[in-house]
Amino acid sequence: QVQLQESGPGLVKASQTLSLTCTVSGGSFSSGTHFWSWIRQPAGKGLEWIGRIYSSGGTSYNPSLKSRVTMSVDTSKSHFSLKLSSVTAADTAVYFCARGLPYSNWFDPWGQGTLVTVSS
Amino acid sequence: QSVLTQPPSVSAAPGQKVTISCSGSSSNIGNNYVSWYQQLPGTAPKLLIYENDKRPSGIPDRFSGSKSGTSATLGITGLQTGDEADFYCGTWDSSLSAVVFGGGTKLTVL
Repeated sequence: QVQLQESGPGLVKASQTLSLTCTVSGGSFSSGTHFWSWIRQPAGKGLEWIGRIYSSGGTSYNPSLKSRVTMSVDTSKSHFSLKLSSVTAADTAVYFCARGLPYSNWFDPWGQGTLVTVSS
Repeated sequence: QSVLTQPPSVSAAPGQKVTISCSGSSSNIGNNYVSWYQQLPGTAPKLLIYENDKRPSGIPDRFSGSKSGTSATLGITGLQTGDEADFYCGTWDSSLSAVVFGGGTKLTVL
């Protein structure tokens, strides 16, 4: 079955750019029937949707983060990436990648998550 | 402050039933599908219910979902201690053009 795995630095300095990659295995990454999302969760808090990207490269971002977010996809490597610029302590969170279904907007499966801490 | 409103916590005894509510508006729940997720401590969220009331393969029928107007409800029957987790509702918000989640509900099985 489809599995997702996040990777990237666990520590980022304030004002710099957070970069994460999600590698997808066990399924058809480029089928176009799904989209690929990033979702984050600060410690002890709820889930926040960051955005989504299709294997075609089409994107949609959360308006609250849109000015700082860039997502990209590499179908040859079955992975998609997140860049979040000008980070602050408020961006410290566990970042999950997940597969989603258009229109229905549910997410399954999810990666295990990776903690990113923004340091001053 | 989350766009979708969930009770912070619910509790019930083993074997009993519990419901978790998720309240929104016409721009989100009222006109879009709702999904529910279970997050066990220290793990990633897991899809429990999609498209308001459908269960993915492998999810026991103890878990059920429903939607009426601008609210949705997750029901869990035959509670087990292993059900203790945080539960989140999610949907698309047409006004925000974003996926939104509830603040989460912590289930305690006493």
